[in-house]
Amino acid sequence: DTEVTQTPKHLVMGMTNKKSLKCEQHMGHRAMYWYKQKAKKPPELMFVYSYEKLSINESVPSRFSPECPNSSLLNLHLHALQPEDSALYLCASSQRRGLAGEGGAKNIQYFGAGTRLSVL
Amino acid sequence: DAKTTQPPSMDCAEGRAANLPCNHSTISGNEYVYWYRQIHSQGPQYIIHGLKNNETNEMASLIITEDRKSSTLILPHATLRDTAVYYCIVRVGETSYDKVIFGPGTSLSVIP
Repeated sequence: DTEVTQTPKHLVMGMTNKKSLKCEQHMGHRAMYWYKQKAKKPPELMFVYSYEKLSINESVPSRFSPECPNSSLLNLHLHALQPEDSALYLCASSQRRGLAGEGGAKNIQYFGAGTRLSVL
Repeated sequence: DAKTTQPPSMDCAEGRAANLPCNHSTISGNEYVYWYRQIHSQGPQYIIHGLKNNETNEMASLIITEDRKSSTLILPHATLRDTAVYYCIVRVGETSYDKVIFGPGTSLSVIP
């Protein structure tokens, strides 16, 4: 099973709303990622969690708040977003070191289908 | 800035081999080359990776030059379903603490 599940698939929210995006994987991966992708642009890294601890925050505005409650689940809490935050939000996971296998294979990322967010 | 450069677009006739180049002239000794593709409106999909040897799997082949400054992804018999944006990424294999930077990628169009 190489599936990363993201919910919801689509989300429309107003600038005063609070919503959350959810990402789940059951591959035993211990690194999880949030990316933002605007139309016709490559994915941009937002956050990385490693062993449930935040290891990278790419200077993301505080209106985006990540949470990793356990090794299988990653959330992205949204509050007071702006219309320019409308984008496809992608979640990914990968293995971490400490697991058997060739080094490069440990950082293969498996992506979910994304949540398409529209902020009105 | 992305550590890789790729041509913005390429065309390939259906059934022919698609050869997608990537330059990574500043690659470090412990960095792997990874290839992903993204079909319209879907999440990126892993294709193949390598360190210094050529690699082949059921999807593609990866040819890495001896100096490791460039590589080529080969789709041996392109089909219409291979139409996608292809991303070449370099990153350290062992840790997830490094930044993952996607370059603009190559938009491959497979033509009937």
